[in-house]
Amino acid sequence: EAGVVQSPRYKIIEKKQPVAFWCNPISGHNTLYWYLQNLGQGPELLIRYENEEAVDDSQLPKDRFSAERLKGVDSTLKIQPAELGDSAVYLCASSQRTQSSANEQFFGPGTRLTVL
Amino acid sequence: AQSVTQLGSHVSVSEGALVLLRCNYSSSVPPYLFWYVQYPNQGLQLLLKYTSAATLVKGINGFEAEFKKSETSFHLTKPSAHMSDAAEYFCAVRGDSSYKLIFGSGTRLLVRP
Repeated sequence: EAGVVQSPRYKIIEKKQPVAFWCNPISGHNTLYWYLQNLGQGPELLIRYENEEAVDDSQLPKDRFSAERLKGVDSTLKIQPAELGDSAVYLCASSQRTQSSANEQFFGPGTRLTVL
Repeated sequence: AQSVTQLGSHVSVSEGALVLLRCNYSSSVPPYLFWYVQYPNQGLQLLLKYTSAATLVKGINGFEAEFKKSETSFHLTKPSAHMSDAAEYFCAVRGDSSYKLIFGSGTRLLVRP
């Protein structure tokens, strides 16, 4: 079974430029998450989707960040314009709603963004 | 509200020695607790999870963790460290009715030959 796929793996851009990250979750997983991981810290949730609906985007900086999950499968996370402080790893995860409340989240390898 | 504290940003052990990574949590509801491992340039992989079924939880790669409600702890242990265990380890907590994982800041495990 293929895991969560993310691309690109690395991205270097200059500040004020736009950037987009793509995520393909595990097949059949209806819940998709985007996390931000700063250097030396644990991941922090940016947004959670249930199918195509963003059900928790309270931590997403909406002035410059946007996300979409068309058709409830793949998702893109966009930053426009990027700032120096956006340099971090952006992780995508997915999970499947089951009877168990402890729905395991499966993580992709992440996209490491460097803003110069 | 939930929170996680991982004591020690770096832990160094000799190969074959006991591994002990500490995690304390705060939760206003019965928690679900998780340990994840992250190897360089990779995503997080679940080691084990506590879901109230048993206080001693066994995971992959010989790791286990014990849930102690009185101490609000969920420390990760392994009897004998291998070089391949060198990685970053994250403890996370989730409330019963929430999908949101709250992660600690991580502990980097170094294994000396």
